[in-house]
Order: sequence, then C-alpha cells, then structure tokens
Amino acid sequence: EIVLTQSPGTLSLSPGERVTLSCRASQSVPTTSLAWYQQKFGQAPRLLIYGTSSRATGIPDKFSGSGSGTDFTLTISRLEPEDFAVYYCQQYFTSLTFGGGTKVEIK
Amino acid sequence: QAQLQQSGPGLLQPSQTLSLTCAISGDSVFSNSGAWNWIRQSPSGGLEWLGRTYYRSRWHTDYALSVKSRMTINSDTSKNQISMQLNSVTPDDTAVYYCAGGPGAFDSWGQGTLVTVSS
Repeated sequence: EIVLTQSPGTLSLSPGERVTLSCRASQSVPTTSLAWYQQKFGQAPRLLIYGTSSRATGIPDKFSGSGSGTDFTLTISRLEPEDFAVYYCQQYFTSLTFGGGTKVEIK
Repeated sequence: QAQLQQSGPGLLQPSQTLSLTCAISGDSVFSNSGAWNWIRQSPSGGLEWLGRTYYRSRWHTDYALSVKSRMTINSDTSKNQISMQLNSVTPDDTAVYYCAGGPGAFDSWGQGTLVTVSS
C-alpha cells in the first residue's frame, strides 16, 4: 500500500498569505494519479486538483499543484477566508489511499 | 459531474450489517469513464477508501484489504444506484460513510452518512 504523509499537520496563517502544502508518498506515484481535496467542517471533500496539476471544474486559479515521483505540493497563492479548511492528498495509482490531511487555520 | 444521494440507517449494534444506498443522477451507473466508490472518514478525520464498482463490458468490483472479507458492493441498474453492505460491524466501524464517483479522482460525492456502532 502506498502511504501518503502530509506535512505539517496544522498551519496557522493569516488571510492574504501564500501557503504550500506537502504530500510525500512512500513510493513513486505517476503524476497522472495524484489529487488534492479541500474539506470544510460538516461537508464532503471537494476535488481541487487531479493529475497533480489539473484544476477540477470551477476551481479558481489561486489553487495550483505540482510535483513528481514521491513529492507533491498544493499551493494557494493568496489565502481568503473561505480557504481555511483541511486539505487531503490522494493517490489512485495502486489501489487508492489518502494522506492524513493538513489543517489550515486562521492565525 | 454526477449528483449522489445517500440513504441508510445511522445507528447499528455490534455484529449487525451496515447497508447504505447511493442514488446517482446526472450520470449513468454504467459510466465507462469512472467508477463508483465507498469511502469512510473516522471520527479522528482520516479518510479510508473501502471499495468500488464499475462497468467495462461487465461489472468489476474491488475492495480494500481491510474490509474485503466483510464488504459487498452491488449495482442496481434499474434504479441507477449502487449499494454497500458491511457485515459484522464493530465500534471501530463508526464513521461517516461517503459514496463518490470519478475516474480515479473523485469529482462527485454524496452528502455522507454518520454511522454509529454501539450497544
């Protein structure tokens, strides 16, 4: 099973800041098979990025994804109040697994 | 993307069978570009993929090793929905259960069902 490790567990930031979230895989994942989700309290996760860097329908360009091999990142260029949430990475290369999540909270 | 509506009971006793249904609108259960999945989220927040079904000339079903011996996913083509059964539940199966669809990444999600297993 491919284990995804997200760091840090929690980030305390202010609106307007730029944030980069990390997702490290225990073995190489093709760029076609890595996704990012946003989850707010009481809601289902929402797909942000698939295939490492492709934005899902309706996702603004302040969200961007990059990476390859075992290291992937999600960047939010400028935090807005609605961006404070938990973010998960997911691989769908071998079976399907999720990272443990990074909570982005208001400082 | 599809719209998914889940239904099923939220409270079970240990050893009972969990049964949930996911009605699909805006897409077909026969979709040849994706799969229909079940995922759960523990009270601590971790997401766990449980299994999926998809149609490619015939029906295929895959399960996570952690639930393979206890889980069954079926499709009801007349109602355009999928369902899951998880046998012999324990308190460790307490979680929010989601159905989700997509071609690997999940672009459609059900609203989630909180399932509590308690005596």
